[in-house]
Amino acid sequence: GAGVSQTPSNKVTEKGKYVELRCDPISGHTALYWYRQSLGQGPEFLIYFQGTGAADDSGLPNDRFFAVRPEGSVSTLKIQRTERGDSAVYLCASSLTIASGRNAWKTGELFFGEGSRLTVL
Amino acid sequence: AQTVTQSQPEMSVQEAETVTLSCTYDTSENNYYLFWYKQPPSRQMILVIRQEAYKQQNATENRFSVNFQKAAKSFSLKISDSQLGDTAMYFCAFMKRGREKSGGSNYKLTFGKGTLLTVNP
Repeated sequence: GAGVSQTPSNKVTEKGKYVELRCDPISGHTALYWYRQSLGQGPEFLIYFQGTGAADDSGLPNDRFFAVRPEGSVSTLKIQRTERGDSAVYLCASSLTIASGRNAWKTGELFFGEGSRLTVL
Repeated sequence: AQTVTQSQPEMSVQEAETVTLSCTYDTSENNYYLFWYKQPPSRQMILVIRQEAYKQQNATENRFSVNFQKAAKSFSLKISDSQLGDTAMYFCAFMKRGREKSGGSNYKLTFGKGTLLTVNP
């Protein structure tokens, strides 16, 4: 498909386990974002990649959370020693990067995937 | 820090009628974007409409229009001729435009808690 793809769609794990959530962005989109949406809340920013590098990881709640994007396309969000409070829908989005001047750019419209619902028992 | 407030947790409307969803925000920024996103049960966030703060004219997209009051920091969404397919969670979101510099300028969305809209037949 041409949209943002996230796997798994649903993941149930036990407290203390390690999980990986995968995001496959729209082809050609250099910007990639992870958001977390807890029950009854709006999505909250976790991390933003521009190419392979994390340009802003200020939203990651603690050092149990880590994300990579080694080839500038697919990204994996990794959660160690999961806790019940980590239960949420993890949304990924991607966007084009638009050149707007020398050494400057801005991001276009964000396209979201359908999310990965993580349940920690 | 920016905050986005949606004071209506739930709304309902009859098919073909008009409904208005409220959103207020708080920011010290002068340049920014405002968005309304729709999230159906599939969980995918879909952009409904976008407003640039420096534009005085209210944005419209077919049956969707906004009432943007910059001084009051208000950004309501009007849906005309409501359809059953409009049933979804609606999120208001803010994005700082920021200074364009190397590394990107605008990327972090701040969402409200959402309004669940039900369109009744």
